[in-house]
Amino acid sequence: NAGVTQTPKFRILKIGQSMTLQCAQDMNHNYMYWYRQDPGMGLKLIYYSVGAGITDKGEVPNGYNVSRSTTEDFPLRLELAAPSQTSVYFCASSYSDTNFYGYTFGSGTRLTVV
Amino acid sequence: GQQLNQSPQSMFIQEGEDVSMNCTSSSIFNTWLWYKQEPGEGPVLLIALYKAGELTSNGRLTAQFGITRKDSFLNISASIPSDVGIYFCAGRQGGSEKLVFGKGTKLTVNP
Repeated sequence: NAGVTQTPKFRILKIGQSMTLQCAQDMNHNYMYWYRQDPGMGLKLIYYSVGAGITDKGEVPNGYNVSRSTTEDFPLRLELAAPSQTSVYFCASSYSDTNFYGYTFGSGTRLTVV
Repeated sequence: GQQLNQSPQSMFIQEGEDVSMNCTSSSIFNTWLWYKQEPGEGPVLLIALYKAGELTSNGRLTAQFGITRKDSFLNISASIPSDVGIYFCAGRQGGSEKLVFGKGTKLTVNP
């Protein structure tokens, strides 16, 4: 069971370039999330999705876009990369029934914009 | 947005020592979770707490859901070098699937 898979692991972008960070989960979780992590700042929610075809903004959505065409995949798109987007990006997924089991995180994508 | 105040920000301890960290909020949460993040990896769930006053252990780790529902505590007993990492608290309110995270406690264990 792979869990949450993120690709690539590392990427260097030039200012103004665009890229897509991939995230896939094989646990049939309906909820998926994108976070960015900056040193000493914890995890900030960028976008989230409660199911295929439904996405919503989190705390820091500017400069990013997402789509959720399937339950498994939740790609994050960066258009016109800026140095402020240098960060480590984590994708996560979750589900809940009568209990809440927390998030399963991917291993992250370290992005540097130069 | 919502914030969780996690302290301390960092800890430097000797192997064998016990560790305590906590998370507080001005709001009530109905679920508290504690995660550990090792270098180069994503956070991994350690303990989930669902009821006020609940005390749950996972090996040398013990976490408590505060009676007021506004705080939670994590203790690590007899620390070892592999305990190194960043520990995050997270809280869930109502029926929301969104978690609020603390900023983390960075733990360094000297052998």
